[in-house]
Amino acid sequence: EVQLVQSGAEVKKPGESLKISCKGSGYSFTSYWIGWVRQMPGKGLEWMGIIYPGDSDTRYSPSFQGQVTISADKSISTAYLQWSSLKASDTAMYYCARQVTARVFDYWGQGTLVTVSS
Amino acid sequence: SYVLTQPPSVSVAPGKTARITCGGNNIGSKSVHWYQQKPGQAPVLVIYYDSDRPSGIPERFSGSNSGNTATLTISRVEAGDEADYYCQVWDSSSDQGVFGGGTKLTVL
Repeated sequence: EVQLVQSGAEVKKPGESLKISCKGSGYSFTSYWIGWVRQMPGKGLEWMGIIYPGDSDTRYSPSFQGQVTISADKSISTAYLQWSSLKASDTAMYYCARQVTARVFDYWGQGTLVTVSS
Repeated sequence: SYVLTQPPSVSVAPGKTARITCGGNNIGSKSVHWYQQKPGQAPVLVIYYDSDRPSGIPERFSGSNSGNTATLTISRVEAGDEADYYCQVWDSSSDQGVFGGGTKLTVL
């Protein structure tokens, strides 16, 4: 069974750094792209970027380029999303999802809620 | 970048047919995918490649795509179909995915 399990909720202060994770199981982790999607409170889904764990090839939406870093450790089947300096506007639910042919997300993680507040 | 436009809300009575549109420039040339998101839950894929259904998705869900509009159709709507629905495509010109703004389906 394909599963994507994300790390738990985080509460941080502005300016702090953060790295959240997404662990894949039940399939060949290095053979599929993993994407990250943001959902701000009460808002829609936003495509942030994707990574191919096999060779760490990464693509970012221009809206998120330079604001976050997507990485992966294929030895432990885990993808990451990280911030070096959080802002209050980063408060959101973040989902990881597996991307298959035709660039569709077929399996999703449960989401990680990130709250940034002073 | 590529823009997808969805109506903010659609209302339908139980047992009737709901149609949710997703507009985009020549969207008929792209593959459109649809996700359902219920409150407090992660999105679930309900239609991919314009009209294919993943296993476990009822046949009541169908999709079409032509010209500048893709449509998700839900037949014989049930109370459990009440959710937000998002369309998504891949924009090859910018090499990134794009979501529509989402449509809230209300079952009256």
